[in-house]
Amino acid sequence: GAVVSQHPSWVICKSGTSVKIECRSLDFQATTMFWYRQFPKQSLMLMATSNEGSKATYEQGVEKDKFLINHASLTLSTLTVTSAHPEDSSFYICSARPAAGGVFGSGELFFGEGSRLTVL
Amino acid sequence: QKEVEQNSGPLSVPEGAIASLNCTYSDRGSQSFFWYRQYSGKSPELIMFIYSNGDKEDGRFTAQLNKASQYVSLLIRDSQPSDSATYLCAVNINDYKLSFGAGTTVTVRA
Repeated sequence: GAVVSQHPSWVICKSGTSVKIECRSLDFQATTMFWYRQFPKQSLMLMATSNEGSKATYEQGVEKDKFLINHASLTLSTLTVTSAHPEDSSFYICSARPAAGGVFGSGELFFGEGSRLTVL
Repeated sequence: QKEVEQNSGPLSVPEGAIASLNCTYSDRGSQSFFWYRQYSGKSPELIMFIYSNGDKEDGRFTAQLNKASQYVSLLIRDSQPSDSATYLCAVNINDYKLSFGAGTTVTVRA
């Protein structure tokens, strides 16, 4: 199957700092990537849809100025948590949809390994 | 009303038994349905997807879909301790956006 890599796998930061998480599709081009957040013992909540070359679409209740998303290339999307606070501590997961016409087709989403953020 | 609902469990089954997981969804227009397995601290991994009413089998897993009842289930036959995980039901709401249920935790007793 296709590989989606997230970096870092885990990060600890001080309150008020910003943290960038990368999501890379290693063996396919992804026109669309999705960012999810998962709190302990809860399900994945979609935060935003990231489209290459355009602005991200945020779900209701997600602050776009706090969670900056950049999808600068067909293989990379980044999520920056700005001025992080302890309540932002969570497991952040990206998923990527292959571009049409590639080896993997466009009918499936592939998930990254997740990035665990702890804000002290 | 939540878009996707699952029994949170935990569901405890003995090794070798059948684990039955249920999921209901609210959007009657949903077209595709997914079951993911998530081990603690890990990202979800796709087990099955189903688009058409009826059963779909893949190894020890069988997904069942009933669009009229807005119900999708997952059966795990011959359950193994390695099947112990949280199983997430996901529904495609539009353009590949997935709405996830809260997950059902399964424990297989050796």
